Amino acid sequence: QQKVQQSPESLIVPEGGMASLNCTSSDRNVDYFWWYRQHSGKSPKMLMSIFSNGEKEEGRFTVHLNKASLHTSLHIRDSQPSDSALYLCAARRGGNYKPTFGKGTSLVVHP
Amino acid sequence: NAGVIQTPRHKVTGKGQEATLWCEPISGHSAVFWYRQTIVQGLEFLTYFRNQAPIDDSGMPKERFSAQMPNQSHSTLKIQSTQPQDSAVYLCASRGTGGSYEQYFGPGTRLTVL
Repeated sequence: QQKVQQSPESLIVPEGGMASLNCTSSDRNVDYFWWYRQHSGKSPKMLMSIFSNGEKEEGRFTVHLNKASLHTSLHIRDSQPSDSALYLCAARRGGNYKPTFGKGTSLVVHP
Repeated sequence: NAGVIQTPRHKVTGKGQEATLWCEPISGHSAVFWYRQTIVQGLEFLTYFRNQAPIDDSGMPKERFSAQMPNQSHSTLKIQSTQPQDSAVYLCASRGTGGSYEQYFGPGTRLTVL
């Protein structure tokens, strides 16, 4: 059974600061990663996905993927209080439509 | 596009009673997933359907949980003889066939078993 480990469990950053979140899969056959954001009392919503080695940037959000180490990271620059949420990482084994989710990183951005 | 619809939004049952949760996926989406979420366990996969066919129910507690997708417009998750440990938010998600395989989650059903 694949495991997806996220770190840290919780993170506090000041407004305007950089937040860095990590995610690693235990399955060598993983071929796709997603990052979802879940605000309190709401359902998860996809932020970004990545399947190729390297970096992908969308606005203030940057995702890195190192397939050799099965590690992805999410970086949020110029963090805003509205970024405060639970960030979930998900990974999919190649050929399998079912993603496995990590337990998440709880991010608090304080003004 | 109303998104994924889940009903009811909240359900309270007594121990031993049955609970049926409903999900209407986004029109045209081919896959439907069921998860449950708790603070302790996080987001746990239960089961999923593709083109209405059950594909993987490896996350379902076998004895009391069952799921169906009788047509492309709705799926149900039934829990028989509910127990307090079944209390959780049950999330349904649907996914289309293209792009980034993004799952679109419904608002969830909060089940409380007394």
